[in-house]
Amino acid sequence: EDKVVQSPLSLVVHEGDTVTLNCSYEVTNFRSLLWYKQEKKAPTFLFMLTSSGIEKKSGRLSSILDKKELFSILNITATQTGDSAVYLCAGGTSGTYKYIFGTGTRLKVLA
Amino acid sequence: DAGITQSPRHKVTETGTPVTLRCHQTENHRYMYWYRQDPGHGLRLIHYSYGVKDTDKGEVSDGYSVSRSKTEDFLLTLESATSSQTSVYFCAITTGWGTEAFFGQGTRLTVV
Repeated sequence: EDKVVQSPLSLVVHEGDTVTLNCSYEVTNFRSLLWYKQEKKAPTFLFMLTSSGIEKKSGRLSSILDKKELFSILNITATQTGDSAVYLCAGGTSGTYKYIFGTGTRLKVLA
Repeated sequence: DAGITQSPRHKVTETGTPVTLRCHQTENHRYMYWYRQDPGHGLRLIHYSYGVKDTDKGEVSDGYSVSRSKTEDFLLTLESATSSQTSVYFCAITTGWGTEAFFGQGTRLTVV
């Protein structure tokens, strides 16, 4: 059975800290790993990593994909209170149209 | 932002009544999805569509049906709502396999 597991479930840090969020996956016909940020509304897309793009960076956020060990991490440096959210990762498959989501990591950044 | 609109945004209904949620897109994307999100479960796929009149079940499809008569509209129907279907429902669209999915704003459904 396909599954995506995120850790930790929740995290509380102070502004300026660096955090690392983890995502391990077991997905048949794996094609891509996607990260989303969800505040009190719809998930918003952050990154997609595939075999041809195993490291992505945007501002203070960066992500890597380890296809051998089947995991991905999302790093956030110099955290801000606006980074407080639930971060979701999802495995995308080749040959089907499904995305398998993890349950998310809830990040709270204190001022 | 991707042009996805869900309606209604909030709904309270009684057990046993039928409910239809609508997802409308202006992106002309082929693939559309309905997810539900519940605490501790993350996003779970209910049904998805890979073209007009082409749909398939996801992991939690019992009690739900869908229809897609036009590229832009994907309807989710709860034939007889139950309290276990109280949830937040998200529609999503993509251009293809494993590509980035864009989400609608969600519909909060409460079944009393």
